[in-house]
Amino acid sequence: GESVGLHLPTLSVQEGDNSIINCAYSNSASDYFIWYKQESGKGPQFIIDIRSNMDKRQGQRVTVLLNKTVKHLSLQIAATQPGDSAVYFCAENADSNTGNQFYFGTGTSLTVIP
Amino acid sequence: EPEVTQTPSHQVTQMGQEVILRCVPISNHLYFYWYRQILGQKVEFLVSFYNNEISEKSEIFDDQFSVERPDGSNFTLKIRSTKLEDSAMYFCASGWAYNEQFFGPGTRLTVL
Repeated sequence: GESVGLHLPTLSVQEGDNSIINCAYSNSASDYFIWYKQESGKGPQFIIDIRSNMDKRQGQRVTVLLNKTVKHLSLQIAATQPGDSAVYFCAENADSNTGNQFYFGTGTSLTVIP
Repeated sequence: EPEVTQTPSHQVTQMGQEVILRCVPISNHLYFYWYRQILGQKVEFLVSFYNNEISEKSEIFDDQFSVERPDGSNFTLKIRSTKLEDSAMYFCASGWAYNEQFFGPGTRLTVL
């Protein structure tokens, strides 16, 4: 499978600040991406997704940006809260119309300092 | 809110033994998945299941693995003869659509 990797394995931010978590992907055919949050002892939890025909998508306090030119994905969390502390994964799918195999990145551990 | 459940939360087994990991997907979901995550490593896709058959599987999902949806509610992963390297967290996921996946809490499998 193609690799999906994260630039920063750990990130610490002050409560109330904005967080940016980055992800690089290598498969230019990938056309669907998901950000997951994984808290300790739990399974991955869907945060937000984006298709390759978009370059930005916003949710509640989260924004995903997609730059297909450099194959880069980012997750922005506004006004980070202690409950946001978790490991964040990006996952890619190279055939979103028929395939359902996702490739996950290694993860970035976000720590929010109160 | 409905959620995917998995049992047991922790399974300890001897090398060479068979294990069955159980999952109850969210009711009325159509797509079912198993993933594994070796400690400190990426979440890895194992298999997807739709319409009572495997729709995709990874190279990890060899002949030692099998999946079943025996009764319309449970979704199981069987490892026939466990190896030390099968020790990992195993996550079940389900979804309405092919690109939607709600994950369960996982089963930690320890092979001794």
